[in-house]
Amino acid sequence: GQNIDQPTEMTATEGAIVQINCTYQTSGFNGLFWYQQHAGEAPTFLSYNVLDGLEEKGRFSSFLSRSKGYSYLLLKELQMKDSASYLCAVRDSNYQLIWGAGTKLIIKP
Amino acid sequence: ETGVTQSPTHLIKTRGQQVTLRCSSQSGHNTVSWYQQALGQGPQFIFQYYREEENGRGNFPPRFSGLQFPNYSSELNVNALELDDSALYLCASSLAGVDTEAFFGQGTRLTVV
Repeated sequence: GQNIDQPTEMTATEGAIVQINCTYQTSGFNGLFWYQQHAGEAPTFLSYNVLDGLEEKGRFSSFLSRSKGYSYLLLKELQMKDSASYLCAVRDSNYQLIWGAGTKLIIKP
Repeated sequence: ETGVTQSPTHLIKTRGQQVTLRCSSQSGHNTVSWYQQALGQGPQFIFQYYREEENGRGNFPPRFSGLQFPNYSSELNVNALELDDSALYLCASSLAGVDTEAFFGQGTRLTVV
């Protein structure tokens, strides 16, 4: 079966750095996505990795290791508005997105 | 703003009724995917349409059906609604064959009572 695991909830302090991990087992691999979702809203795109390594975009970075089936999302200089759920999704061999359950990130002052 | 719009934004239906949800995809996108997201869970893939044909289906019963129109807009139909169908329904549009992200609409919150 296909499976994506990420922690259920994490807490961090404003201004700090947090790393959200994601491990996956899927039928094929055609890229890994990270999305941010505020409560009651649609997911919004953060990052995309298809090759191993680190992709940096402002305060957000995402890393991928295909051999380990592992990715992480790194958020720097945390702001209160970063409190949200962060969803890891893998595009499988059928080009369909398989989603993790999301990691709820709580930012404290 | 992603350019993907869904209607209605909220809906309350009674168990056993039928519902139709609508999605207008982003200009130039030919693929639409529908997801069901229960509270506190990640989205679950329902099905995908590419150029008016179903192009993949998740683990949902046949009472979940869909359509894609020539302008690439789409509908999700659910018959014989059950209480467990209460969820946020998300539509995402993308361009097949291009390694880009899917763009989501704001979702339709369906409540079945």
